[in-house]
Amino acid sequence: GDSVTQMEGPVTLSEEAFLTINCTYTATGYPSLFWYVQYPGEGLQLLLKATKADDKGSNKGFEATYRKETTSFHLEKGSVQVSDSAVYFCALSSNAGKSTFGDGTTLTVKP
Amino acid sequence: NAGVTQTPKFQVLKTGQSMTLQCAQDMNHNSMYWYRQDPGMGLRLIYYSASEGTTDKGEVPNGYNVSRLNKREFSLRLESAAPSQTSVYFCASSDRTSGRIEQYFGPGTRLTVT
Repeated sequence: GDSVTQMEGPVTLSEEAFLTINCTYTATGYPSLFWYVQYPGEGLQLLLKATKADDKGSNKGFEATYRKETTSFHLEKGSVQVSDSAVYFCALSSNAGKSTFGDGTTLTVKP
Repeated sequence: NAGVTQTPKFQVLKTGQSMTLQCAQDMNHNSMYWYRQDPGMGLRLIYYSASEGTTDKGEVPNGYNVSRLNKREFSLRLESAAPSQTSVYFCASSDRTSGRIEQYFGPGTRLTVT
């Protein structure tokens, strides 16, 4: 079945540091890929997505590129802020419509 | 446009009690989902409904039942709560027919079973 493996946390960075959170996946066919973000006490919200190979999703300074050859969708941001502290989930959606989520990576950004 | 709403926000139950978690969406989405979130385990799908009138089991359905009451509402019922069902429960919806397959989540229900 489908699966998503993402970098274990927690990750602690200083403000303005570079962020990478690794995500790899296993799926049949050509899934769509997502990053969701969860702030404390809230539900998940979509951060960015990519629906086909070589697509780059971007939002709020975050980027991720759909790499079919390495089955990866790593999340990056050039300069993190304290307000980026949250839990980040990588996910995929197959043709059946259901989504498979990674276990989440907790990011803490210190001033 | 409220998106996905869930009630209640918090609930404490004793072992063996029953309750229903309510979920509603106002985005005219066809598909709805129930997940549970436990520390270190990400999100696990309990049940989903691809369209009005249909429901299917997800990864962890035991101890739960669901009802897709209409296109807007999808409820989750615990018939006899157990401490292992202590978790945060999220409802979500999506609309494949529009091509926007990302899911929209509610704020969650935090359930404690003692």
